[in-house]
Amino acid sequence: DGGITQSPKYLFRKEGQNVTLSCEQNLNHDAMYWYRQDPGQGLRLIYYSQIVNDFQKGDIAEGYSVSREKKESFPLTVTSAQKNPTAFYLCASSTSGQYTGELFFGEGSRLTVL
Amino acid sequence: AQKVTQAQTEISVVEKEDVTLDCVYETRDTTYYLFWYKQPPSGELVFLIRRNSFDEQNEISGRYSWNFQKSTSSFNFTITASQVVDSAVYFCALSEARTGTASKLTFGTGTRLQVTL
Repeated sequence: DGGITQSPKYLFRKEGQNVTLSCEQNLNHDAMYWYRQDPGQGLRLIYYSQIVNDFQKGDIAEGYSVSREKKESFPLTVTSAQKNPTAFYLCASSTSGQYTGELFFGEGSRLTVL
Repeated sequence: AQKVTQAQTEISVVEKEDVTLDCVYETRDTTYYLFWYKQPPSGELVFLIRRNSFDEQNEISGRYSWNFQKSTSSFNFTITASQVVDSAVYFCALSEARTGTASKLTFGTGTRLQVTL
């Protein structure tokens, strides 16, 4: 079945450690996104990528890094520079061509920093 | 800057009641898109509807209906005869109309709907 797979679903890390969240899609979408969700704050865009080997900062990119070496994959690294990394992280993708605005989301990864 | 406001943090209704989720937006763009997404307990957001700024016609899809009023910058969502399966967090979102491949959406803070028996 086509969709977006995020892993791991739950992740616990100690302060100061870098963490990489995986996002894979088999929808053949060009664009991929990372959002962060905090209680009462909705979703905020971290990074997005329109095409392989290209990505742009979103609204809250500080303390995060991404790569886009393959069309199917868009991993997110939460670095030790991110001051409040505990959150729910959602990966999404969208089709190219005619603009639709429809995002397809994964089930998310919940990161807890102890 | 774009902004989406969902003033209702949480709503509780009894099954079969009608419920309206409010969404107010701000944008300087003359052409834009509005969306509603549903986030069930499983976590992933599910697309429900898209409306462009030139189309103020209301839409009905089964028990769901949407009321877009440009004059008040609102895009409200009504569920008729609510069911327990409607329990979820609902997000309203806004994006500029754009060419290219990226869909950058600005989301509201969400409204948690709890439907009980």
